[in-house]
Amino acid sequence: EAGVAQSPRYKIIEKRQSVAFWCNPISGHATLYWYQQILGQGPKLLIQFQNNGVVDDSQLPKDRFSAERLKGVDSTLKIQPAKLEDSAVYLCASSLGKEEWNTEAFFGQGTRLTVV
Amino acid sequence: KNEVEQSPQNLTAQEGEFITINCSYSVGISALHWLQQHPGGGIVSLFMLSSGKKKHGRLIATINIQEKHSSLHITASHPRDSAVYICAVTTSVLWTPDDKIIFGKGTRLHILP
Repeated sequence: EAGVAQSPRYKIIEKRQSVAFWCNPISGHATLYWYQQILGQGPKLLIQFQNNGVVDDSQLPKDRFSAERLKGVDSTLKIQPAKLEDSAVYLCASSLGKEEWNTEAFFGQGTRLTVV
Repeated sequence: KNEVEQSPQNLTAQEGEFITINCSYSVGISALHWLQQHPGGGIVSLFMLSSGKKKHGRLIATINIQEKHSSLHITASHPRDSAVYICAVTTSVLWTPDDKIIFGKGTRLHILP
């Protein structure tokens, strides 16, 4: 079974530059999550989509971060402009997203962003 | 064999019971995380451990580095504790391309009122 695909795997940019990450969830998964994991910390939920609608973006720094899932399938996360403190691993995950029990969340390999 | 194994996969208990979820790993780690996912919700980080024991409210997490084993305990369990609990490990302190985040498959906990 194909898993959650993310690209790129690594990205190094200078502060104030822009960057975009891409995620393709498992086919048929309605729910898609973007997480930020800073070194030494647990993952933080940035945004949760249900199909192409936003369920929770309360922790997304909206002055510089944006995310979209226009067709309810793959998603992009953008940072514009980047700051040094944005250096982290950005994880995408998907799940079936039905009302009943979610048995498992599937994670991508992550995109490691370094801002210099 | 998965590098991070959790047990049990499913657990149903009565309200008030003491709950233990186990996580074993086979790689060298820099930290171990316990995560919680409620049905239909996102994932919340509960604990990050590199040694010893941490407590937050009714939740207690322990780790034994020598045995490569961690446990998550819930005291006086409540139906709102019903969720999937995920164990994850990070494999390096240094920020290198060889860093990995490895997730267990999760333990589905259902607390009956």
